[in-house]
Amino acid sequence: QVQLQQSGTELVKPASSVKISCKASGYTFTSNYMHWIRQQPGNGLEWIGWIYPGNGNTKYNQKFDGKATLTADKSSSTAYMQLSSLTSEDSAVYFCSLNYPGIRGFAYWGQGTLVTVSS
Amino acid sequence: DVVLTQTPPTLSATIGQSVSISCRSSQSLLHSNGNTYLNWLLQRPGQPPQLLIYLVSRLESGVPNRFSGSGSGTDFTLKISGVEAEDLGVYYCVQSTHAPPTFGAGTKLELK
Repeated sequence: QVQLQQSGTELVKPASSVKISCKASGYTFTSNYMHWIRQQPGNGLEWIGWIYPGNGNTKYNQKFDGKATLTADKSSSTAYMQLSSLTSEDSAVYFCSLNYPGIRGFAYWGQGTLVTVSS
Repeated sequence: DVVLTQTPPTLSATIGQSVSISCRSSQSLLHSNGNTYLNWLLQRPGQPPQLLIYLVSRLESGVPNRFSGSGSGTDFTLKISGVEAEDLGVYYCVQSTHAPPTFGAGTKLELK
């Protein structure tokens, strides 16, 4: 069965960077779009961007351009999101989510990774 | 970006009551390929969202058939025919017809 396993909670300092992982299993990693979504405390869902692991193509929400960088490692079926120049505004839960197959958008979700930015 | 407006923001229901949630889009969600990429998600407290409905009205595998979706163009509705306790949480509509994908602000379903 399809599973998305995200890395654990991160406590990071302002102005630093953090890299979150999402390990996929149960489907062909290279053939499906992987989304990243942010949920700030008590708030709704914001789309950050997607990556197509087969060729590494990415697309970002303009709001997160320069903030988020999406990559994928085909050998380990793992997607990554690096967040840079962190501020308290970046404190949130981050989810990876999978279109599988293409018409079933956001069909599978990781459990979420809590990132807390604090000095 | 496409704006999805969900109403009501909060919904109080008793067990067994039927309820509806509206999602209105600032643009038509009909894609040039004939599909309408409008989905409904449920997020229970402390959990990631889960897919309930995709392509407006297709029920996700394993989701009870008391959930149904309808609509076209810019107006969409999620109906729950007989709320059960496990249905409590926040419901989101999400569109991916137009880039970037956007989510509605959510509708919180709570017990009356």
